[in-house]
Amino acid sequence: SAVISQKPSRDICQRGTSLTIQCQVDSQVTMMFWYRQQPGQSLTLIATANQGSEATYESGFVIDKFPISRPNLTFSTLTVSNMSPEDSSIYLCSVEGTSGRRTDTQYFGPGTRLTVL
Amino acid sequence: AQTVTQSQPEMSVQEAETVTLSCTYDTSESNYYLFWYKQPPSRQMILVIRQEAYKQQNATENRFSVNFQKAAKSFSLKISDSQLGDTAMYFCAYETSGSRLTFGEGTQLTVNP
Repeated sequence: SAVISQKPSRDICQRGTSLTIQCQVDSQVTMMFWYRQQPGQSLTLIATANQGSEATYESGFVIDKFPISRPNLTFSTLTVSNMSPEDSSIYLCSVEGTSGRRTDTQYFGPGTRLTVL
Repeated sequence: AQTVTQSQPEMSVQEAETVTLSCTYDTSESNYYLFWYKQPPSRQMILVIRQEAYKQQNATENRFSVNFQKAAKSFSLKISDSQLGDTAMYFCAYETSGSRLTFGEGTQLTVNP
């Protein structure tokens, strides 16, 4: 499976500010996703990051709050905008499919732990 | 909408023994994928095992196996010869169209020495 890295691994931010999280993969992947895991909770899909076009957001998540970029097949960013304490969560990227082929299995990055004061 | 239910918030097992984690799901689709992921304290999500719904044979990966009952919409995970390193939160997940994963609430498994 691909090696996935995320930056930063953790951060503490002030309310009202924004943070951009990076997800880098060591090989080209077909699909990239962003999930949120609130404290003590399960994972919830935020959006599918589409290469060269706008991300596809799940119900309850909007582009103004969580803008996503995917400029190529190995990199994506998630920005958490105008943060509030309710945004304190672990944010994880995942990838699926290598070398242009679907594999129907997602592998996850190590996550970014965000705390908003 | 698809839902995934894990009815056991916490479980514990003695080292070297066997434990089974339960998962049920609801879907109207006929072809889909099911997964078990583990999340140790490091918070890394690690794929444990994968089951394709069109395959009747239960998936097995070393000490991990599943009991997939499609008609009952049940997908349990059996861990044999439990090891201390198996201590983690275990999530059952269902893959919908477009590769989107829906997760259950998780089961915290503790392996005791």
